[in-house]
Amino acid sequence: SQQGEEDPQALSIQEGENATMNCSYKTSINNLQWYRQNSGRGLVHLILIRSNEREKHSGRLRVTLDTSKKSSSLLITASRAADTASYFCATDGIGIQGAQKLVFGQGTRLTINP
Amino acid sequence: SAVISQKPSRDICQRGTSLTIQCQVDSQVTMMFWYRQQPGQSLTLIATANQGSEATYESGFVIDKFPISRPNLTFSTLTVSNMSPEDSSIYLCSVVSRTQYQAKNIQYFGAGTRLSVL
Repeated sequence: SQQGEEDPQALSIQEGENATMNCSYKTSINNLQWYRQNSGRGLVHLILIRSNEREKHSGRLRVTLDTSKKSSSLLITASRAADTASYFCATDGIGIQGAQKLVFGQGTRLTINP
Repeated sequence: SAVISQKPSRDICQRGTSLTIQCQVDSQVTMMFWYRQQPGQSLTLIATANQGSEATYESGFVIDKFPISRPNLTFSTLTVSNMSPEDSSIYLCSVVSRTQYQAKNIQYFGAGTRLSVL
């Protein structure tokens, strides 16, 4: 399966600390994305990093990509209570009949304690 | 980006019945997807909803169980048929947005439908 694996499965930190989540995948990719899901609701796209990029920033988010290790990390700096959510990485894949699709990792459940 | 309205937001159903979930987008989109998220799990793609043709189902999902309609470029429905407790999940629709400069498979999601089957 192309599905990615994320670690840790759950992470609990104090507000203000940094949170790091990791994602590994199995096949070559065009890009890798990170999504956030609050309390079983819809997913929100956070950031996309292309296969030829090594690092990307967006506000308090920093994403790295190591294609040689087939891994990515998401760093959230100066965490806030509102960052409490599940975070998923997603890689592009080819579905049946060539349809483009996303393959999601297992997710990391992040809890920010006040 | 795209704004997606999905309904119902939640429902409790009896086994053996069917539920139809609607997904409405505020703009015309080529690709719409339906996902299932079982409790505490990640998202699994059920099918790609194609406008004007039959949906493309992923391995493990069949049209008799999850019939999909896509009558136009802004609307789709997913029906969960002959439900059992194992169908209790969150069902999500999503659409693809492509940037001006490069095709990027960024997906925008509806808020999801939380289904409980008794």
